[in-house]
Amino acid sequence: GAVVSQHPSWVICKSGTSVKIECRSLDFQATTMFWYRQFPKQSLMLMATSNEGSKATYEQGVEKDKFLINHASLTLSTLTVTSAHPEDSSFYICSARNRKDQPQHFGDGTRLSIL
Amino acid sequence: GQSLEQPSEVTAVEGAIVQINCTYQTSGFYGLSWYQQHDGGAPTFLSYNALDGLEETGRFSSFLSRSDSYGYLLLQELQMKDSASYFCAVSPWNQGGKLIFGQGTELSVKP
Repeated sequence: GAVVSQHPSWVICKSGTSVKIECRSLDFQATTMFWYRQFPKQSLMLMATSNEGSKATYEQGVEKDKFLINHASLTLSTLTVTSAHPEDSSFYICSARNRKDQPQHFGDGTRLSIL
Repeated sequence: GQSLEQPSEVTAVEGAIVQINCTYQTSGFYGLSWYQQHDGGAPTFLSYNALDGLEETGRFSSFLSRSDSYGYLLLQELQMKDSASYFCAVSPWNQGGKLIFGQGTELSVKP
């Protein structure tokens, strides 16, 4: 149980393109989803926390207009990287949980490369 | 502040048992989680302790003692594929559900 599916796994696109990443909880209701970013050999960096039906809470230094997050249902959250540039190239990972007293489960991540 | 301490590296041989400790300084939290992450991959959930005691899931077990501010992950019958980074993490009551991670333990399993 507790499977989180993230799509796509890989994206390569030109600078200036907007890219949408989907995160789905397949067998549980995800009241809260989290979006992380990870650079090689570094720790996970939390970008934002998303509660179903409300606006996402962004971490300090993360541009909300750059990284648009939508959590419209209990099983789906999306992260859109708008007007992506090479410096946005990274490994983006979502996680989801149901209740506060339950662990987070991670998706397989999306490797984004902006040329 | 809130922090979790883990050993940075552990080396063991195939078939052995290894214990990765996690000590923490944090106020109340919901539970202690353990994750595995291979190079280039996303974290994979291994185990969760909401209450004190031992949780067993196949070759992996995890333990929590809130009174000692301590937990551990026990890996038995080590296999080469267990070589990875292992993270402990807690979700403090006052952090809106965010996870606070330890810095990770790099486990190397040798033949």
